[in-house]
Amino acid sequence: AQSVTQLDSQVPVFEEAPVELRCNYSSSVSVYLFWYVQYPNQGLQLLLKYLSGSTLVESINGFEAEFNKSQTSFHLRKPSVHISDTAEYFCAVRVMYSGGGADGLTFGKGTHLIIQP
Amino acid sequence: DAMVIQNPRYQVTQFGKPVTLSCSQTLNHNVMYWYQQKSSQAPKLLFHYYDKDFNNEADTPDNFQSRRPNTSFCFLDIRSPGLGDAAMYLCATSREGGETQYFGPGTRLLVL
Repeated sequence: AQSVTQLDSQVPVFEEAPVELRCNYSSSVSVYLFWYVQYPNQGLQLLLKYLSGSTLVESINGFEAEFNKSQTSFHLRKPSVHISDTAEYFCAVRVMYSGGGADGLTFGKGTHLIIQP
Repeated sequence: DAMVIQNPRYQVTQFGKPVTLSCSQTLNHNVMYWYQQKSSQAPKLLFHYYDKDFNNEADTPDNFQSRRPNTSFCFLDIRSPGLGDAAMYLCATSREGGETQYFGPGTRLLVL
C-alpha cells in the first residue's frame, strides 16, 4: 500500500514571497507523483506530475517540484506567489505499472496555501 | 474541449432517500473513477470501472454502488444516504495504462 504525508495543513505566506509545500510518500513499489490544486467548491486540477526522467518538473504558472528518491519526497515550490494561488494543494501517488493498470490515486491530506497581501 | 462533466454541481437529498450522481466524459477514456472527499479531507477512492469491469475498494460501504452503461457515462448511486455521506463526490477518468487522471468539477451532496 502507498501513503502520502503532507506535513503542513496550512501555509500562510505574503504575496510575492517564495513558498514550499512539503510532500513525502511511502511505497514498496515505484510510483508516479502528482500535485493537484483545488479552488473552493471546485474539482481537482492537475498542476504537475513526475513520471520519469528529469527529477525537476515545472508547471506553466511558475510552480515546480523536485522528485527526491532517496528522501521519498516531492516538494512543491514557487519563487513568488500571487493572491490567485490561494487554494488547497494535494500531493498524490499512483502505482507505476509496466503495462495497463488502472489503480486510483492515493492523496495526502492537503495543504491550504493562504496568500496574504 | 474534451472534458469530464458532473451533474448536478449541488445535490440536496433527504436522509435515507436514494440519490444518483452523474458523470460523463468526452475524452473517450476507458477508465472512470469515483472519489469521495469529505470536508477538509483528502479525496478517497470508492471504486472504478476499467471498461465494464467494476472494481470496488475494500472499505467502500455497500450503500454505494455504481453503473456504467457505456464508455461516456458513469453513475454513483447512494441507496440510503446518511448524514455522514455528505461530501464532495469527484469523478475522474484516465486512459488504460495512462498515468494521469482528469477530474470533473465535483458534485457537492448535502443530506438533510
